[in-house]
Amino acid sequence: SQKIEQNSEALNIQEGKTATLTCNYTNYSPAYLQWYRQDPGRGPVFLLLIRENEKEKRKERLKVTFDTTLKQSLFHITASQPADSATYLCALQGGYQKVTFGIGTKLQVIP
Amino acid sequence: NAGVTQTPKFRVLKTGQSMTLLCAQDMNHEYMYWYRQDPGMGLRLIHYSVGEGTTAKGEVPDGYNVSRLKKQNFLLGLESAAPSQTSVYFCASTKSGVRYYEQYFGPGTRLTVT
Repeated sequence: SQKIEQNSEALNIQEGKTATLTCNYTNYSPAYLQWYRQDPGRGPVFLLLIRENEKEKRKERLKVTFDTTLKQSLFHITASQPADSATYLCALQGGYQKVTFGIGTKLQVIP
Repeated sequence: NAGVTQTPKFRVLKTGQSMTLLCAQDMNHEYMYWYRQDPGMGLRLIHYSVGEGTTAKGEVPDGYNVSRLKKQNFLLGLESAAPSQTSVYFCASTKSGVRYYEQYFGPGTRLTVT
């Protein structure tokens, strides 16, 4: 069955450093991969989408890579700030715009 | 634009009671979804709709029913609530089309079944 793996343990990082979150998947050949941010008590908010033929996508301090051979996406936040503290969800796109989500990785940026 | 709204925000039910969760979106999106989110399980798709008058089952549909009578509204019903349905419920919507688009989520409904 299709499976998305994100490091369920929290990631603690010092302010100003680059945070790197990992998303691995199996039994899936997604054409698109998305990343969302979720704050406590709120719904997920879309951040970035990357297509299978794109190796890398950037948006301000965010960078996403997509390696379909390794079946892995890396999500980077450069110059991290305490306001970046949240849970980050990886999601794979299927038909009818259906999205399968990972359980998310909680990021804590320490001042 | 209000985006995606959900009512109610919180609800406590006794086992066996029924209720309906309402989702509304003002972005003219074709597709709408209901998810539940549980600790350690992530978001799981309950039901979805690709247009007015159509619905389909997702990953965990048992114990839930849905209706999409109007394009902007998507209702999720629990006919006989069970403690296993204690969860946070999120509604989402997105555009249709050949491209893939991001999903817009509502603020969630926290449901407790005792």
